[in-house]
Amino acid sequence: GQNIDQPTEMTATEGAIVQINCTYQTSGFNGLFWYQQHAGEAPTFLSYNVLDGLEEKGRFSSFLSRSKGYSYLLLKELQMKDSASYLCALMDSNYQLIWGAGTKLIIKP
Amino acid sequence: GAVVSQHPSRVICKSGTSVKIECRSLDFQATTMFWYRQFPKQSLMLMATSNEGSKATYEQGVEKDKFLINHASLTLSTLTVTSAHPEDSSFYICSARDQGQGDWETQYFGPGTRLLVL
Repeated sequence: GQNIDQPTEMTATEGAIVQINCTYQTSGFNGLFWYQQHAGEAPTFLSYNVLDGLEEKGRFSSFLSRSKGYSYLLLKELQMKDSASYLCALMDSNYQLIWGAGTKLIIKP
Repeated sequence: GAVVSQHPSRVICKSGTSVKIECRSLDFQATTMFWYRQFPKQSLMLMATSNEGSKATYEQGVEKDKFLINHASLTLSTLTVTSAHPEDSSFYICSARDQGQGDWETQYFGPGTRLLVL
């Protein structure tokens, strides 16, 4: 089966950097996604990693290590609008998404 | 980019009535769409995979006779909650893949429909 773990909640300061980790166990792997979800809204796509390494997109970067079953989302120059839940999702061998419970990120001034 | 719309965004209905939710891919064709349900402070739960021109594939525990899915065209899938009860109150979200693009694996989400059954 599959299992995905990410912290329930994190707090960071405006302007700082925060790293949200995601570990997973799976028998089939077709990539790992990060989505952002503001309260009361649907998720929006942030990143997709299928090969090991770091993918950078502006203030957001995502890293994947398939051998370690590990990914992280790195957010730089934090802004108040970055307060949201960040969902890690694994694409399994059937190309379906298996969702983590999400990490609620709280940004303080 | 790939845009997915949902209608209605919010609906309140009486117990026992049926509610239809539409999901449309606006600028791409989607042979596969997904329907999710999300309860407060919980992650997304996949209900079913909607395939254009064929029957939907339901996840374990999801009643196919209660949650009717119709994917009649490459841009439209509908979810009908039949004989809705208060426990069906939830946030229903659809997503679709733009399979004409190189990043076909990425699911793009509609804005969601908040259902409240009284």
